[in-house]
Amino acid sequence: NAGVMQNPRHLVRRRGQEARLRCSPVKGHSHVYWYRQLPEEGLKFMVYLQKENIIDESGMPKERFSAEFPKEGPSILRIQQVVRGDSAAYFCASSPQPPQGAMGKQYFGPGTRLTVT
Amino acid sequence: AQTVTQSQPEMSVQEAETVTLSCTYDTSENNYYLFWYKQPPSRQMILVIRQEAYKQQNATENRFSVNFQKAAKSFSLKISDSQLGDTAMYFCAFKIPDTGNQFYFGTGTSLTVIP
Repeated sequence: NAGVMQNPRHLVRRRGQEARLRCSPVKGHSHVYWYRQLPEEGLKFMVYLQKENIIDESGMPKERFSAEFPKEGPSILRIQQVVRGDSAAYFCASSPQPPQGAMGKQYFGPGTRLTVT
Repeated sequence: AQTVTQSQPEMSVQEAETVTLSCTYDTSENNYYLFWYKQPPSRQMILVIRQEAYKQQNATENRFSVNFQKAAKSFSLKISDSQLGDTAMYFCAFKIPDTGNQFYFGTGTSLTVIP
C-alpha cells in the first residue's frame, strides 16, 4: 500500500533553469495538493488539483510556477527560470474524494528539496 | 484571515518525561479540523493526531493527547513518556472543510528528546 511518492527527493538547479517536481498520489486518490516549506517556516499552501483540473491556485506565484495533474501519470509542479528564492522543500499531499478529503485526511509525501545555485 | 501561532520555536524534554507543545489559532469559522503533524529529519510529514472542532472530547492517540480549548482557540499537544524517536519538528495546523481544502500551518516547534 504505497503512500504518496515524490521524485526527485533532491534537485539542484542553476539560476534560470527549469525545475520539474513529480508527485504520485496514493492509489485511488484523485485530489492533489502542493505546499512549499521555506527554511525555518511552516508549510504554505500553493495549489489544489483534481484530475485534469486546477481547483484552487490561490497560493501559487503568478509567474514562473505552474502545476498539472493529468488524467494519466503523476502531478507535476513546474518552476521556470528558477531563482535562489525558490530554494525550499516542496511537499505534495493527496486525499480521497469527499467526504474523507473534506475531513482533512491528507497524506503527505516525503518532499522534494530544491536547491538553486 | 486564518492564522496559526506556535510560540515555542524549540523545546527539549528528558526521555520518559512529559512535554506540552502550545498552539493557538485564529479563525472566524465555527467548524474546522485541527491537526498536529510531526516532521522528523527525513522531512516526511506524519499525522500525529486530529481533532474535530465540534467535538468537546479531547483526542488521544497512545502517548499523544491534545488539550483543545475552543473558546480560547488553543490546541496544545501533550507527549507522555517521551521517546528518542519523538525528536522532530512538530507543526500545528487547521483546515476548514469545503473552503479551499488547504491546510494552514504554524511555523513549527523543534522538539529534542534528551537521553
